[in-house]
Amino acid sequence: GAVVSQHPSRVICKSGTSVKIECRSLDFQATTMFWYRQFPKKSLMLMATSNEGSKATYEQGVEKDKFLINHASLTLSTLTVTSAHPEDSSFYICSARPLIGTSGGTDTQYFGPGTRLTVL
Amino acid sequence: DQQVKQNSPSLSVQEGRISILNCDYTNSMFDYFLWYKKYPAEGPTFLISISSIKDKNEDGRFTVFLNKSAKHLSLHIVPSQPGDSAVYFCAASVLGGGADGLTFGKGTHLIIQP
Repeated sequence: GAVVSQHPSRVICKSGTSVKIECRSLDFQATTMFWYRQFPKKSLMLMATSNEGSKATYEQGVEKDKFLINHASLTLSTLTVTSAHPEDSSFYICSARPLIGTSGGTDTQYFGPGTRLTVL
Repeated sequence: DQQVKQNSPSLSVQEGRISILNCDYTNSMFDYFLWYKKYPAEGPTFLISISSIKDKNEDGRFTVFLNKSAKHLSLHIVPSQPGDSAVYFCAASVLGGGADGLTFGKGTHLIIQP
């Protein structure tokens, strides 16, 4: 149980275009989903917290107009990288926290497989 | 300021022996700690967690110890197996803090040698 999927797994795009990444919890509901970014040989850095039905909360230094997050349902959150530039190339990973009382407890996050974004 | 620290970038252990991965934290508000295992180009896989009201949690070959006064936790893997070779991340959060994401350490690359 507690499976999280991400789509696409890899994407290559031209500079200036927008890319949408989907994150889905497949067998549980999650009111909260998180988006992380990992640079090569670095730790995962939290970008934003996505709550179903409300605006995302962004970490300091993350441009909310550039990284648009939508949490449309209890099982789906999307991250759109707008007007992508080469410096946005990275590995983006989402995670989902099950509803309290369901699998995994109150604070265990389950991660998707990640999306490798390359901006040319 | 790095709030979660894993000071060993890599660790090499012989198969069958015990692997001990260490993690230190500075934020006294953290009260829930997790260990994740990660392979290249994949998302982290949850291994084990511990709440600050406990000092030990065990799950099969994995045991996490928490020393709250020292702000230190460790993950013990025994016996170590070749499939355990991966990067291990220590993460911390504030339980009940609403929408808090995890704060990760930089990871320790565990290499299990035959």
